[in-house]
Amino acid sequence: EAGVAQSPRYKIIEKRQSVAFWCNPISGHATLYWYQQILGQGPKLLIQFQNNGVVDDSQLPKDRFSAERLKGVDSTLKIQPAKLEDSAVYLCASSSIWSSTEAFFGQGTRLTVV
Amino acid sequence: GIQVEQSPPDLILQEGANSTLRCNFSDSVNNLQWFHQNPWGQLINLFYIPSGTKQNGRLSATTVATERYSLLYISSSQTTDSGVYFCAVVDNQGGKLIFGQGTELSVKP
Repeated sequence: EAGVAQSPRYKIIEKRQSVAFWCNPISGHATLYWYQQILGQGPKLLIQFQNNGVVDDSQLPKDRFSAERLKGVDSTLKIQPAKLEDSAVYLCASSSIWSSTEAFFGQGTRLTVV
Repeated sequence: GIQVEQSPPDLILQEGANSTLRCNFSDSVNNLQWFHQNPWGQLINLFYIPSGTKQNGRLSATTVATERYSLLYISSSQTTDSGVYFCAVVDNQGGKLIFGQGTELSVKP
């Protein structure tokens, strides 16, 4: 069974530029998550989808971050414009039904904003 | 929201030693997972253990849901066990998967 796929693996951008990350969850998984992990901290949930609907986006900085999950499968996370403090690893995860089932993570995208 | 606390924050061991990592949570949960974050940043699933005890090789985990804690045991540690171990929980309202701050383990040869 293929795991959660993310791209790109690494990205370096200048502040005020825009960037987009892509995630393909495990086939058949209805729940998809995006997390932000700043160095030395635990992952923080940005947004949670159930199929193509948003379950929780309370910690997503909506003035600069946006996410979508078209057709309930792949998802993209965008930052526009980026700030220095957005430097982090962005992790995508999926689980089969609700958040009570086991979640699996992709390899992450390491973003550096200079 | 639910709070997750892990202890100790850092742990240094000699190869071959045993260790116990603890995860305390502030409310009832219907999901608890242990992860190992490798040096490349990927979160590797160790256990899905909302209650009870499981074992996988040198690793085992126990969750006592009624007392709101989980323990991860590592026996005969190896240098490859080094990294950060995270506990993550989902509360009974079916909400977010919330992570603790992690325990950074360093196993010396």
